[in-house]
Amino acid sequence: ETGVTQTPRHLVMGMTNKKSLKCEQHLGHNAMYWYKQSAKKPLELMFVYNFKEQTENNSVPSRFSPECPNSSHLFLHLHTLQPEDSALYLCASSQDREVVTQYFGPGTRLLVL
Amino acid sequence: AQSVTQLDSQVPVFEEAPVELRCNYSSSVSVYLFWYVQYPNQGLQLLLKYLSGSTLVKGINGFEAEFNKSQTSFHLRKPSVHISDTAEYFCAVGVTGGGNKLTFGTGTQLKVEL
Repeated sequence: ETGVTQTPRHLVMGMTNKKSLKCEQHLGHNAMYWYKQSAKKPLELMFVYNFKEQTENNSVPSRFSPECPNSSHLFLHLHTLQPEDSALYLCASSQDREVVTQYFGPGTRLLVL
Repeated sequence: AQSVTQLDSQVPVFEEAPVELRCNYSSSVSVYLFWYVQYPNQGLQLLLKYLSGSTLVKGINGFEAEFNKSQTSFHLRKPSVHISDTAEYFCAVGVTGGGNKLTFGTGTQLKVEL
C-alpha cells in the first residue's frame, strides 16, 4: 500500500541514542496509528491519533514519544530504548477513528543494541 | 474485550491446491473482521473485510472468506494457490463503538511448495 510511507526502513541504534521514525499518509485520512510487531506475538497497538489529537496510549513506556503535527504526518521519537524494543514498527491510517479499515505502511525494522 | 485465535501457525500446501486458513474470534458485541497479508520485509496489505451484509466476502488475489456468526469464525480460503501467495496472513477483529481498535491474531505462515 504505497499510500502510507515510512522512513527509515531499517534503523540500528544504541541504548543511549535518540532517533525518530516518520510516517506519512497520502490518502487524505484523519486517523493515524503506531503498532509494534514482535516475532511470534500479535500486533500491539501503541498510539492512536484522530484529527491530530492523541486518543489512545496503550500503556506505552515513556521512552516512546509520538508526535502528530498534522493529519498526514506521524512521528515516533525514541530515546534510551532497550534491546527488547527491537521490532518492526508499523504505521497505519484510516479515514477517521470511526471508519474501521486501516491501511498500513511498510514498517521500520528497529534493532536496539 | 475481543480476541482472535489463529490456530495454525504454519500451513504448508502444494501449488494449485486449495487452502483454508482458520480464524476464530470472541466478542460480546457486533464485530468487523479483516484479513491482512504480509509479504517478507513489507507491511500489512488488506486482503478483504467484513463490515456487514453478505457473509461471503471476496478479496484481492482470488481470496475469499465467510463470516459465520454461530461458529464465531472468519476462515480465509483460496481454491488454487500460487507460489506468490507464500506470506504471513493475519486475521483481525474490531468492534462497533470500539474506537477503531483492531485486535490481531498471531498470524499464519502460508508456505506454497512446488
